[in-house]
Amino acid sequence: KNQVEQSPQSLIILEGKNCTLQCNYTVSPFSNLRWYKQDTGRGPVSLTIMTFSENTKSNGRYTATLDADTKQSSLHITASQLSDSASYICVVSGSGNTPLVFGKGTRLSVIA
Amino acid sequence: NAGVTQTPKFQVLKTGQSMTLQCAQDMNHEYMSWYRQDPGMGLRLIHYSVGAGITDQGEVPNGYNVSRSTTEDFPLRLLSAAPSQTSVYFCASTSPVSNEAFFGQGTRLTVV
Repeated sequence: KNQVEQSPQSLIILEGKNCTLQCNYTVSPFSNLRWYKQDTGRGPVSLTIMTFSENTKSNGRYTATLDADTKQSSLHITASQLSDSASYICVVSGSGNTPLVFGKGTRLSVIA
Repeated sequence: NAGVTQTPKFQVLKTGQSMTLQCAQDMNHEYMSWYRQDPGMGLRLIHYSVGAGITDQGEVPNGYNVSRSTTEDFPLRLLSAAPSQTSVYFCASTSPVSNEAFFGQGTRLTVV
């Protein structure tokens, strides 16, 4: 069964600190993996996309990694800000028009 | 550029009532989908459509109907609302090139 597992379920960090969120998937065949950020009361918005051949991709303070062999991805947030408080959702695309497979998300709270 | 527009943003229904959640996109995407999001459950797929006139069931389709008469619109109908359908509903439109899902702002539905 195609699944995406994320850890931790929730995380609280101090402003200015770094953190790493994890995503393991069993989706096959694999097309790409995206990390989405969902602010409270809003729809998810894409942060990064990783394809099979990519290992690392950065978007400002966000850096995503992908290990296609072990089917693991991580999202590293550097120098966290209060505005980083949100849910971060890992989403994997299979082939063609097969539905996206969503993780349950990690709830990040950045406190002053 | 409106992207994905959902209406209404909030709705309260009595058990047994019916209603339609509206979703419209202006990106000419063929693939559209409906999700519900409940605490601790993540986003779960209700129904999806790969183009006008074509719909299919997702993970949790019971109690919901959809139709796709145009590329732009993908309404979700609740036939006879139940308290178990209290949730936040998101419509998404997916790019065929990047597989990026663009989400609406969500509809918070309460069934009493």
